[in-house]
Amino acid sequence: GQNIDQPTEMTATEGAIVQINCTYQTSGFNGLFWYQQHAGEAPTFLSYNVLDGLEEKGRFSSFLSRSKGYSYLLLKELQMKDSASYLCAVKTAGNKLTFGGGTRVLVKP
Amino acid sequence: EAGVTQFPSHSVIEKGQTVTLRCDPISGHDNLYWYRRVMGKEIKFLLHFVKESKQDESGMPNNRFLAERTGGTYSTLKVQPAELEDSGVYFCASSQVWREGPDNEQFFGPGTRLTVL
Repeated sequence: GQNIDQPTEMTATEGAIVQINCTYQTSGFNGLFWYQQHAGEAPTFLSYNVLDGLEEKGRFSSFLSRSKGYSYLLLKELQMKDSASYLCAVKTAGNKLTFGGGTRVLVKP
Repeated sequence: EAGVTQFPSHSVIEKGQTVTLRCDPISGHDNLYWYRRVMGKEIKFLLHFVKESKQDESGMPNNRFLAERTGGTYSTLKVQPAELEDSGVYFCASSQVWREGPDNEQFFGPGTRLTVL
């Protein structure tokens, strides 16, 4: 079966750093994606990891350890607009994405 | 460049009725996907088109769901007859190429919120 776990909710303060963890057990692995989704809107692509290590893109970074089935998304210098749900998704067979339940991040002033 | 668009944004129907959802992918994207998120659950894969062909329909819940992509452009997802458990948000996504890497990013539409009463 496919299992992707991430925390349901996290709260952080504006300007701080938040790390969202994602663990996965999937039959097949062709890469791990992080998406951001604001309420009522489309999920938008943030990052992609297929090899172990850290990918940095501005204020957002994502890390992958394939041997541990583990990834995290790091959000630095948090802004109010970063309040959203963050979705961890593994590309399994073919091009299919298998999603975790999403982590709702609330940024407080 | 226009993103993935979906119509309608909301649909409220009664149990037993038929509903058809439409997805227009990004122009030139051969790959088109349907996903669904039911209340309180994660987004789940339904099926994948490559042009007009169904590449993978392993996520389709049952034969009340019919997806088509005639001509390899837009796609429709018909639910007939609708049941209460079909309520949720139906997302469409498209991607450009069939290969590994960020170029294979799936671009999502805003979804259609379906409520079956």
